[in-house]
Amino acid sequence: DQQVKQNSPSLSVQEGRISILNCDYTNSMFDYFLWYKKYPAEGPTFLISISSIKDKNEDGRFTVFLNKSAKHLSLHIVPSQPGDSAVYFCAARDTGTYKYIFGTGTRLKVLA
Amino acid sequence: GAGVSQSPRYKVAKRGQDVALRCDPISGHVSLFWYQQALGQGPEFLTYFQNEAQLDKSGLPSDRFFAERPEGSVSTLKIQRTQQEDSAVYLCASSLAGNGNTEAFFGQGTRLTVV
Repeated sequence: DQQVKQNSPSLSVQEGRISILNCDYTNSMFDYFLWYKKYPAEGPTFLISISSIKDKNEDGRFTVFLNKSAKHLSLHIVPSQPGDSAVYFCAARDTGTYKYIFGTGTRLKVLA
Repeated sequence: GAGVSQSPRYKVAKRGQDVALRCDPISGHVSLFWYQQALGQGPEFLTYFQNEAQLDKSGLPSDRFFAERPEGSVSTLKIQRTQQEDSAVYLCASSLAGNGNTEAFFGQGTRLTVV
């Protein structure tokens, strides 16, 4: 029973264009959401987060949008750069448990 | 240290062997997590410590898995009588707070291969 779903296993985007990575969740008790980026042979690196009381958080080229009614969040990368090529994991925190539930990841490839 | 450090980076174990995986969290971080990541999957929660207290071990797959953090800093994940299905990358993460909205910082992981 996958509580956090990333339905697109891979995505290819041209350099300079927008990358949009999507994530859906099922548990309404999730109160904090994060995006992590992972390069091969490395651990996940924190990218950006959003609390459930917000609907948008921006950090440089990265913006995360949260639609609580749809139980959907997305990560926008503008403009996309070749160095952004990695696997992106969406994660959600379950209130009161502190543990993060991860999606299966989306492999982003930014083409030069 | 500057980040979360895990050792060894790679471990090959014969089936039935016991292994111990070490995690050095970021100094001062209260929370420590262990995750297991199988090939092509996202990290899956194993266990959580707040200082030396193991508050959640609901993700440990069997009683062959044991984790400790006796002094509230370094943690060890021990797997007894390893099986082939234990092959995975084991990730450790730490975060500053014991509650609240703070991100977790991950180590590079230990890739365990059971042959």
